[in-house]
Amino acid sequence: AQSVSQHNHHVILSEAASLELGCNYSYGGTVNLFWYVQYPGQHLQLLLKYFSGDPLVKGIKGFEAEFIKSKFSFNLRKPSVQWSDTAEYFCAVGSSGSARQLTFGSGTQLTVLP
Amino acid sequence: KAGVTQTPRYLIKTRGQQVTLSCSPISGHRSVSWYQQTPGQGLQFLFEYFSETQRNKGNFPGRFSGRQFSNSRSEMNVSTLELGDSALYLCASSLVAGGARNSPLHFGNGTRLTVT
Repeated sequence: AQSVSQHNHHVILSEAASLELGCNYSYGGTVNLFWYVQYPGQHLQLLLKYFSGDPLVKGIKGFEAEFIKSKFSFNLRKPSVQWSDTAEYFCAVGSSGSARQLTFGSGTQLTVLP
Repeated sequence: KAGVTQTPRYLIKTRGQQVTLSCSPISGHRSVSWYQQTPGQGLQFLFEYFSETQRNKGNFPGRFSGRQFSNSRSEMNVSTLELGDSALYLCASSLVAGGARNSPLHFGNGTRLTVT
């Protein structure tokens, strides 16, 4: 069975600080990897996805993530956060045969102080 | 283009009752998936429907069921409600074209179910 671990439950940063949110997964086969974001009062939105190819994936709003197969990791990064990035971030894994049956991490609440 | 629409937004039911939740996918999307979100368990996959057939099912009891109609709209039913069924139920649709690469999930705002 797949599992996803997000190490930080709550991260507090000041504007312009750099961000890295950790995500590790356990699954023996080929995986599809996702980061979703949930802004206050809004629905889950896709930030970025990895299926294959270049392990450095760029998403919306300046976010990027790097897939490191040997470490089973897919960490999310942003060089300079803004107050509007305050949200909950979810890492998710899907198997190659079932990209819509996702296993989600427990989420990381990011608070950016102005 | 309208997003995924879920109705109702809020629902309060009593233990033992049953409930039906509705989801209208994005126009043109043929796959609908359901997820349960709780503070303790996080987001958990319930099931996925495509072409009116259940394609995948998560680890939930048989009290949780669903169906999909020919217009891709989907309903989820929970019978004999328990207190632990209180959760946010999320519906997600996807295009299912060109393989998984082109089919990320698009989520609705969810239905908040409270069981008393």
